[in-house]
Amino acid sequence: DQQVKQNSPSLSVQEGRISILNCDYTNSMFDYFLWYKKYPAEGPTFLISISSIKDKNEDGRFTVFLNKSAKHLSLHIVPSQPGDSAVYFCAASRYNQGGKLIFGQGTELSVKP
Amino acid sequence: NAGVMQNPRHLVRRRGQEARLRCSPMKGHSHVYWYRQLPEEGLKFMVYLQKENIIDESGMPKERFSAEFPKEGPSILRIQQVVRGDSAAYFCASSPPGIAGFTDTQYFGPGTRLTVL
Repeated sequence: DQQVKQNSPSLSVQEGRISILNCDYTNSMFDYFLWYKKYPAEGPTFLISISSIKDKNEDGRFTVFLNKSAKHLSLHIVPSQPGDSAVYFCAASRYNQGGKLIFGQGTELSVKP
Repeated sequence: NAGVMQNPRHLVRRRGQEARLRCSPMKGHSHVYWYRQLPEEGLKFMVYLQKENIIDESGMPKERFSAEFPKEGPSILRIQQVVRGDSAAYFCASSPPGIAGFTDTQYFGPGTRLTVL
């Protein structure tokens, strides 16, 4: 039972353009969401998070949007840079049951110069 | 300002041997989590520990796997009698004390890649 889904295994974007990575979830009890970036042979690196009381959170080039009614979140990267090329994972949890993060399968982003 | 440390980075075991994976959380962090990533898949939660306590082990296989986080020293994930299907990347994450029972951002180590021959 895949509670968090990233339906696009890969995405290719031109440098300077916007990258949009999508994530869907099925469990309406999730109320805290995070995005991680992962390079090969390294651990995931935290990027940005959002709680369900918000619909947007911004940090520099990264913005996360949450649509609770659609059970959908997205990560926007503007402008995209070649160094952003990595696998991006979204993760979800229930805030008051701390600990367990449920991860999507990941989307591999390739930013071409 | 050291991050989460894991060792070894690579571990090769033959079927039936034991694997011990170590994790030292970030300074000041008292919560440790273990995740497993099989090839071509996302990370799967295994266990959540605080010092000397297992808080949530709902993702741990019932047999052969155990985890501990002693008062002193690193957290250990132990796999007894390894099988080929245990080959995976095992990631440890830590988070600060925060509000007990509430999710906080987890910071990941570089992982241990276990290969079972």
